[in-house]
Amino acid sequence: QKEVEQDPGPLSVPEGAIVSLNCTYSNSAFQYFMWYRQYSRKGPELLMYTYSSGNKEDGRFTAQVDKSSKYISLFIRDSQPSDSATYLCAMHNNAGGTSYGKLTFGQGTILTVHP
Amino acid sequence: DSGVTQTPKHLITATGQRVTLRCSPRSGDLSVYWYQQSLDQGLQFLIQYYNGEERAKGNILERFSAQQFPDLHSELNLSSLELGDSALYFCASSVGAGGSSTDTQYFGPGTRLTVL
Repeated sequence: QKEVEQDPGPLSVPEGAIVSLNCTYSNSAFQYFMWYRQYSRKGPELLMYTYSSGNKEDGRFTAQVDKSSKYISLFIRDSQPSDSATYLCAMHNNAGGTSYGKLTFGQGTILTVHP
Repeated sequence: DSGVTQTPKHLITATGQRVTLRCSPRSGDLSVYWYQQSLDQGLQFLIQYYNGEERAKGNILERFSAQQFPDLHSELNLSSLELGDSALYFCASSVGAGGSSTDTQYFGPGTRLTVL
């Protein structure tokens, strides 16, 4: 079983829709949670970063963490064609040692927003 | 543009060969990370260097090695290449050693390796 599970999709929605992307994880040592966006043939770029359970909002994006359920989500409101990309969740356990800076990624969800 | 540069963009080689991938971190960043991205495995952490020293290690194969030079650029060496090594290889950099909640990793554009 992978430490981080993410439905690869693909997910196709009309412009203006609310998009929900999710990841579950098994390692309770994960303390920091991130969402990266990756456009085709590009490197991942950081979208959102959260530490504690709860919600964090940034414009049209909301990241949600539920540590008790080991479940994180990313919501995109009023989705735009420019949001079409692969969305990767990533986690960091901050335990130091041999995994000091290591990020553990989900498989990524391919999102297409149609005009 | 993240400020992280990687060369070459594409690399095509044959099985059994050895290649070197190069990464220059953002100005001021001391950590360099290497990741491998394939369709079946996703984005996998390989290794991290901080200010010239190895800091963290993932499931990096023994055929792979890396180093970070005094000018902070890094090289990933892949030897005895196999078909399964075909993947995108990303370099990322961050200011600190990676243990801080604010130590964002910025990714480069990647090197696409094809082993024939």
